[in-house]
Amino acid sequence: GQSLEQPSEVTAVEGAIVQINCTYQTSGFYGLSWYQQHDGGAPTFLSYNALDGLEETGRFSSFLSRSDSYGYLLLQELQMKDSASYFCAVRSKAAGNKLTFGGGTRVLVKP
Amino acid sequence: SAVISQKPSRDICQRGTSLTIQCQVDSQVTMMFWYRQQPGQSLTLIATANQGSEATYESGFVIDKFPISRPNLTFSTLTVSNMSPEDSSIYLCSVALDLGSYEQYFGPGTRLTVT
Repeated sequence: GQSLEQPSEVTAVEGAIVQINCTYQTSGFYGLSWYQQHDGGAPTFLSYNALDGLEETGRFSSFLSRSDSYGYLLLQELQMKDSASYFCAVRSKAAGNKLTFGGGTRVLVKP
Repeated sequence: SAVISQKPSRDICQRGTSLTIQCQVDSQVTMMFWYRQQPGQSLTLIATANQGSEATYESGFVIDKFPISRPNLTFSTLTVSNMSPEDSSIYLCSVALDLGSYEQYFGPGTRLTVT
């Protein structure tokens, strides 16, 4: 089977840095994605890592280590609008090249 | 990119009835999916809507309960049949532009409450 683990909740202040870890178990791994979802909103794509290393997109970066079955999403210079749920999702052969989502991490940014 | 609309945005239904949710995309897409999400929970894939053939259902979901149509590359419907309170959830349509796309776009969701 497949499984993804990520923390359920993280709280931080504006301007801080938050790292959301995601560990996964699957077979035929293709890549790790991250999605952001505000309360009442649709999930929106943030990043995708197929190879080891760090991908940077503005204030957000995503990292993957295939050998450790581990990745993280790094949120820098936190802003109030970053308060949302963040989901890691694995794309794998075991799931027919479809996304399997983690349980989500709720990030609360305080002033 | 793709812009997705869903109708209805929310509904309250009696148990034993059925509801059909529509998903419209502003461009032709190869892959269309239907997900379910309990508030505050993760997303669970129900099925992949295939144009011109029967949908592909994930484990735990069956066609009799969740019939899906996809008459063309921009439109799909999901019906929740013979509803019970356990079907209360948010139903999300999602698309990928083509088979090799790693980015998926999601509709705003349909919030269903079954009483």
